[in-house]
Amino acid sequence: GENVEQHPSTLSVQEGDSAVIKCTYSDSASNYFPWYKQELGKRPQLIIDIRSNVGEKKDQRIAVTLNKTAKHFSLHITETQPEDSAVYFCAAPRDYGGSQGNLIFGKGTKLSVKP
Amino acid sequence: EPEVTQTPSHQVTQMGQEVILRCVPISNHLYFYWYRQILGQKVEFLVSFYNNEISEKSEIFDDQFSVERPDGSNFTLKIRSTKLEDSAMYFCASSESGGLGQPQHFGDGTRLSIL
Repeated sequence: GENVEQHPSTLSVQEGDSAVIKCTYSDSASNYFPWYKQELGKRPQLIIDIRSNVGEKKDQRIAVTLNKTAKHFSLHITETQPEDSAVYFCAAPRDYGGSQGNLIFGKGTKLSVKP
Repeated sequence: EPEVTQTPSHQVTQMGQEVILRCVPISNHLYFYWYRQILGQKVEFLVSFYNNEISEKSEIFDDQFSVERPDGSNFTLKIRSTKLEDSAMYFCASSESGGLGQPQHFGDGTRLSIL
């Protein structure tokens, strides 16, 4: 089964700086990698995802890169703002040989953006 | 924007009692999921559901758990005899279709506290 490792567990940056969170996965068959943002006491919110047929995807200040050879993917946030402060989770499909795409999550990164 | 809704937001129950957590998935979605998140930890997959039957379940989803779609809109998680370690946030999610690479949208969760 899939195993997802996420680093760092905590990240503190100054407002305006960039933040990078990295995840590795074990199952070379995985082909979908979402990132979720979870504010305190709130739902995990899908912020960006990438499929294995592309190496990078951007959405305004957020980008995700994927290296299939190395089996790792990263979230990049540029020009960070205090409202970016949250816990970020990466995920990969948990595939039992079926097709449901159930997700395995990383342990999360608590991002703090200091004004 | 359509959302997954969950009720109640907080449930307090005595150990050994049965609880039912309710979810209304997004209306045109066909695949439904339950996840749980113990305080301060990562999100963990419990079960996926499609076409009125369980598609996949994790090792956490033992005989005390069951899921049901009693009507055309609700999706429920029942814990038959609750234990202290069942205390967690339970998230329902849904996706338009199943399989690898389908975005899953989460509800706000039910905080379950077992006394």
